[in-house]
Amino acid sequence: DGGITQSPKYLFRKEGQNVTLSCEQNLNHDAMYWYRQDPGQGLRLIYYSQIVNDFQKGDIAEGYSVSREKKESFPLTVTSAQKNPTAFYLCATGRGQRIHSNQPQHFGDGTRLSIL
Amino acid sequence: DQQVKQNSPSLSVQEGRISILNCDYTNSMFDYFLWYKKYPAEGPTFLISISSIKDKNEDGRFTVFLNKSAKHLSLHIVPSQPGDSAVYFCAASKNYGGSQGNLIFGKGTKLSVKP
Repeated sequence: DGGITQSPKYLFRKEGQNVTLSCEQNLNHDAMYWYRQDPGQGLRLIYYSQIVNDFQKGDIAEGYSVSREKKESFPLTVTSAQKNPTAFYLCATGRGQRIHSNQPQHFGDGTRLSIL
Repeated sequence: DQQVKQNSPSLSVQEGRISILNCDYTNSMFDYFLWYKKYPAEGPTFLISISSIKDKNEDGRFTVFLNKSAKHLSLHIVPSQPGDSAVYFCAASKNYGGSQGNLIFGKGTKLSVKP
């Protein structure tokens, strides 16, 4: 999706290091989300933010942290406390707090994180 | 406990025939359902959705059917094309409590359309 930029596409981390994944959007969407995908699994929600300066834990928030200082940006930090960080990370946006019939979430192209 | 289940990890269909992808859910509070298509190393792209007040929604070659009593939905693609080969995710919306707008995803079904 051209409106959501995730960088970098591939990221390598040494054990014990924190690493931050970038997500920027120009869709003017209020809500932003971080998902994790593992092989053969669906997407699992890590954190979400429905408005600037506010965010909530998703289903698998342990070992991750986020910030939402600007509407356009929702960076995800994978901390050393995350014991199994190797995965495909997807950022998504949504127009608002409720999903309606024409307001699906839009996804970036993802960042693949690997542990060296 | 998986709230959205796609029990078929893969499906192979001949070009021109119908593809039927199935999805079951357990939470009766879900009131909005979506299908996403995903190519390798890319993010999912929205395909079609349906509200729980409807039982069918159609968009070109894609139709989604919802059976609320059975907690089951299906995506029909007809006619299937080789470009439809991808992983299809079913997702449901939890529009209650403090988690409005969050999606619960199934594990996906890999569709292969053979020429």
